[in-house]
Amino acid sequence: QQQVKQSPQSLIVQKGGISIINCAYENTAFDYFPWYQQFPGKGPALLIAIRPDVSEKKEGRFTISFNKSAKQFSLHIMDSQPGDSATYFCAASALGGSEKLVFGKGTKLTVNP
Amino acid sequence: EAQVTQNPRYLITVTGKKLTVTCSQNMNHEYMSWYRQDPGLGLRQIYYSMNVEVTDKGDVPEGYKVSRKEKRNFPLILESPSPNQTSLYFCASSLSGGAGDNEQFFGPGTRLTVL
Repeated sequence: QQQVKQSPQSLIVQKGGISIINCAYENTAFDYFPWYQQFPGKGPALLIAIRPDVSEKKEGRFTISFNKSAKQFSLHIMDSQPGDSATYFCAASALGGSEKLVFGKGTKLTVNP
Repeated sequence: EAQVTQNPRYLITVTGKKLTVTCSQNMNHEYMSWYRQDPGLGLRQIYYSMNVEVTDKGDVPEGYKVSRKEKRNFPLILESPSPNQTSLYFCASSLSGGAGDNEQFFGPGTRLTVL
């Protein structure tokens, strides 16, 4: 049973555009929502994370929007650059449990110059 | 430098030949985990360990074994590899403790091909 649904599977945007990746979850016990960025040939690395006590978190050009009632969260990349081309994974976990991260299936982002 | 290392990075083997993929972290992390990454399926957890001598199954444990005898090491063992275990494998670690930072640090990956 997939607990975190991520869309789209792939995304192509032009340089300077906005990239938006969406995730939805089912388990209301989840209270930590990170996004991981993976470049080709590398392991995933934490990009940005949010806890449900806030609706938005911004770090530079990257913003997480969180809607607790809808059980959805999304990653927005403003002014997308070719260097942002990577695979992005959303994830969720419940603190106090096993620290198991449940990952979405990933979105391959391509930013064309 | 804080890091998670995996060896080997690439491995081609044959069905049934036992192999071990090593994983080591130098951050004194309590939590370690193995994932496999397959196209269209994302990252799926194989096994994880909350601390030394404490391991548990993830989502896809069949055909794999692990051990955690030392805090820094968490080897993944395939006793009789099969072609459906051809995949990209990642080891990860994080500082456990419950209500803190849950960032997982990933190794560089091991590309395994089973013929």
